[in-house]
Amino acid sequence: ETGVTQTPRHLVMGMTNKKSLKCEQHLGHNAMYWYKQSAKKPLELMFVYNFKEQTENNSVPSRFSPECPNSSHLFLHLHTLQPEDSALYLCASSQAKGLAGEETQYFGPGTRLLVL
Amino acid sequence: GQSLEQPSEVTAVEGAIVQINCTYQTSGFYGLSWYQQHDGGAPTFLSYNGLDGLEETGRFSSFLSRSDSYGYLLLQELQMKDSASYFCALHEGGRRALTFGSGTRLQVQP
Repeated sequence: ETGVTQTPRHLVMGMTNKKSLKCEQHLGHNAMYWYKQSAKKPLELMFVYNFKEQTENNSVPSRFSPECPNSSHLFLHLHTLQPEDSALYLCASSQAKGLAGEETQYFGPGTRLLVL
Repeated sequence: GQSLEQPSEVTAVEGAIVQINCTYQTSGFYGLSWYQQHDGGAPTFLSYNGLDGLEETGRFSSFLSRSDSYGYLLLQELQMKDSASYFCALHEGGRRALTFGSGTRLQVQP
């Protein structure tokens, strides 16, 4: 058990649907992240939230909309996605140790998304 | 920008030792981590190097040379359950997010 949970674990959606991915961390961490993992590609950072404030947006299309209502919960709202958005979406959390840099990230199991 | 390179695949036999290399480029190096990911699973943290030298954690060790922008993960006494993908990840000063390499798929054969 990693202390980071994600729901749903699998999701199939059409290009006109709207859905949301949920992530919850039970580790008391103060930063949360969304990553995208496609086949044969490295993990791609999407968004970073530090103390509930978005601090990085890695040029992600606006059809992906993150929301961080508190330091334990992170959502990724999806709308009008494209088939190339099919991937594993991973949530992670970490705890700051003074200067940013040395932090272990703890990952959730991911949501496997298929866009038809 | 930043980049990392690691081999795409490595094959070894049970009981052997395998080394997975990682070279990186960045102007703000802070540290290098290693993560393991089994098929269908989440990446899990293995090791971190912030200073030059070897860090040992059981059968796994990780090495860093900052002057060479190079690190490696050493897996000893390989077991079948070690078959997985291994990612090096770059920590940069002042930035909380990590930059991941493309991963090395390790296949352990009997």
